[in-house]
Amino acid sequence: AQSVTQPDIHITVSEGASLELRCNYSYGATPYLFWYVQSPGQGLQLLLKYFSGDTLVQGIKGFEAEFKRSQSSFNLRKPSVHWSDAAEYFCAVGLNAGNNRKLIWGLGTSLAVNP
Amino acid sequence: NAGVMQNPRHLVRRRGQEARLRCSPMKGHSHVYWYRQLPEEGLKFMVYLQKENIIDESGMPKERFSAEFPKEGPSILRIQQVVRGDSAAYFCASSRGGSTTNEKLFFGSGTQLSVL
Repeated sequence: AQSVTQPDIHITVSEGASLELRCNYSYGATPYLFWYVQSPGQGLQLLLKYFSGDTLVQGIKGFEAEFKRSQSSFNLRKPSVHWSDAAEYFCAVGLNAGNNRKLIWGLGTSLAVNP
Repeated sequence: NAGVMQNPRHLVRRRGQEARLRCSPMKGHSHVYWYRQLPEEGLKFMVYLQKENIIDESGMPKERFSAEFPKEGPSILRIQQVVRGDSAAYFCASSRGGSTTNEKLFFGSGTQLSVL
C-alpha cells in the first residue's frame, strides 16, 4: 500500500542553523511530491512540489527539496532557519496527475526554533 | 484578501449532538475539499464539491456525515449524533479550477472538533 513516512515527529534547531526534514514514501511508480507548511493559526501552505524534471526543487521562503528515487525520499532543506519557520511541516504524495484530492499525507514534523 | 476561512476554530460537542463546520473558499474559487486529521493519522480526503454538486464523496463515512456547497454561502460539513471518535481537526481547501494534481489547493486553518 502507498504510504508516506515522516520519521521525525519533532525537531528543534537554533536560529541560523541548517535544517533537513525527512520524508520517505512507498509507491511503485514515480509519485508527485509535495511539502506543505502550517504556521500557528494558519492554513496549510504549499512550499514546493515535484512532478518531473530536475530532482532539486526550489520553493518559497528559501526552502528546497531533493527527490531521490533510489532512496524513495523527498527531504526538505533550508540552509539557515529563521524563527518564523517554526511550524508544522507535512509531506504529501500524489499518485497520479488527474486527482489532487487523493494525496497521501505524512503525519507531519513539528519544528521549533531556538533564538 | 481573505484566504480560505473556516469557523469555528474550536467546537466542543457532547455525544449525540450535531456539529456544523463552515468553510468559505477563497474569492473566485468554486471547488471545495474537506479533509480530516485524526490523532496520530495523516490528513485524509473526505469529500470534493463544486457549487451545488457533490463530485466525490469517496472519503466520507457512510453514516452521520454530510456535506453541501450551496449556490450562496459557505460549504457546510455536518456531523449528526457525534461520537468521541469524531474528535479531529477538519480542514477545508479550495481551488479555482478542477481537481488535477496541478491545481493548487489553498487550505483553511481548520476546525478542531472535540466530542465530550
